[in-house]
Amino acid sequence: DSGVTQTPKHLITATGQRVTLRCSPRSGDLSVYWYQQSLDQGLQFLIQYYNGEERAKGNILERFSAQQFPDLHSELNLSSLELGDSALYFCASSAQGTFTGELFFGEGSRLTVL
Amino acid sequence: KNQVEQSPQSLIILEGKNCTLQCNYTVSPFSNLRWYKQDTGRGPVSLTIMTFSENTKSNGRYTATLDADTKQSSLHITASQLSDSASYICVVSASSGGGADGLTFGKGTHLIIQP
Repeated sequence: DSGVTQTPKHLITATGQRVTLRCSPRSGDLSVYWYQQSLDQGLQFLIQYYNGEERAKGNILERFSAQQFPDLHSELNLSSLELGDSALYFCASSAQGTFTGELFFGEGSRLTVL
Repeated sequence: KNQVEQSPQSLIILEGKNCTLQCNYTVSPFSNLRWYKQDTGRGPVSLTIMTFSENTKSNGRYTATLDADTKQSSLHITASQLSDSASYICVVSASSGGGADGLTFGKGTHLIIQP
């Protein structure tokens, strides 16, 4: 158990809809990272938050947004969903604000868009 | 552009045999190299982290090596078990630390252990 909690584990929705994925980092970790993993693809970095502030941005679509709350949990909002958004979405946390420290991954949220 | 290349893409071996997975990287400036194990549909789990000065690091039956001069790493699995079936991902961290290029992921090697 990495200590990173993601909900929901599975989500099935229709095209055009909006969903919210939630992540609670390990106790004491200030950084949260979001990654997307499509079928048989590598992990694609979406966005990082550190202590409530956006720290780094990757290949995140404009239809996607994220935030980190004062209690350090984070939410990833996906809107106007398309079939291609079906993927596993992972959250990871670390103590540092940089990428040099160890990352701890959650078990992921599997999103299926029909 | 920072890149991490892993080989082979996939590998099938018999239970009890050894295997070696390869990782070549072009990441600068280098901070550390990690190997993760990802079971199907699960989150990646860290196996080892190596910095520039470390040549080898073990975690049970897993041994990682790093040659910072040639920018190559390998992950050796000894006496494979069925539970070793997974994807193994090489990840390199840049010492600039931040930005979207802070971590570069390989696409992984898909390992299948057959009984």
